[in-house]
Amino acid sequence: GAVVSQHPSRVICKSGTSVKIECRSLDFQATTMFWYRQFPKQSLMLMATSNEGSKATYEQGVEKDKFLINHASLTLSTLTVTSAHPEDSSFYICSALRQGGWPEAFFGQGTRLTVV
Amino acid sequence: DQQVKQNSPSLSVQEGRISILNCDYTNSMFDYFLWYKKYPAEGPTFLISISSIKDKNEDGRFTVFLNKSAKHLSLHIVPSQPGDSAVYFCAASGSAGNMLTFGGGTRLMVKP
Repeated sequence: GAVVSQHPSRVICKSGTSVKIECRSLDFQATTMFWYRQFPKQSLMLMATSNEGSKATYEQGVEKDKFLINHASLTLSTLTVTSAHPEDSSFYICSALRQGGWPEAFFGQGTRLTVV
Repeated sequence: DQQVKQNSPSLSVQEGRISILNCDYTNSMFDYFLWYKKYPAEGPTFLISISSIKDKNEDGRFTVFLNKSAKHLSLHIVPSQPGDSAVYFCAASGSAGNMLTFGGGTRLMVKP
């Protein structure tokens, strides 16, 4: 099946610093990528929809200035958590939408962010 | 308002028995449904899907049933295996290119 690579898988950063997470579709072009966040024992929460070449669409309650999303190419989207705080510690997952016929979303491996 | 709901947060099944995970949706525009499996600290992986033109799709031990009139779908796993223990998410889409709407997930535990 299609592969989506997310990097890094784990990151620990100090409070106040910024962290960039990359999401790459390795064998297909993705005009649309999604960023999710999962809190312990809770469902995936969609944070934003990233469209190649245009601004991301953020879900209600998600701070666009804090979670910067860039989708500069058809195979790469990045999520930058700016001025991270301990409450930003979470599991972040990206997915890339493969077009053609029915939509199929392929997920990255996820990134465990810990802010200390 | 949750458009896709999985009302059972957890399910425990004995190895070898059938696991039935349920999912309900409210948006009648949804016409494509998927099930994802997620292990802890990993991204979800695709399991099986069904379009609204079908009422059943089978892949090995996994079968998804769709009841459009009831806006209900279910995932059957038979026989269940300990390796099936994971969180299962159902997702729905309105049309090609639309984002997926996820249910809250059901944690399946298969006991040896």
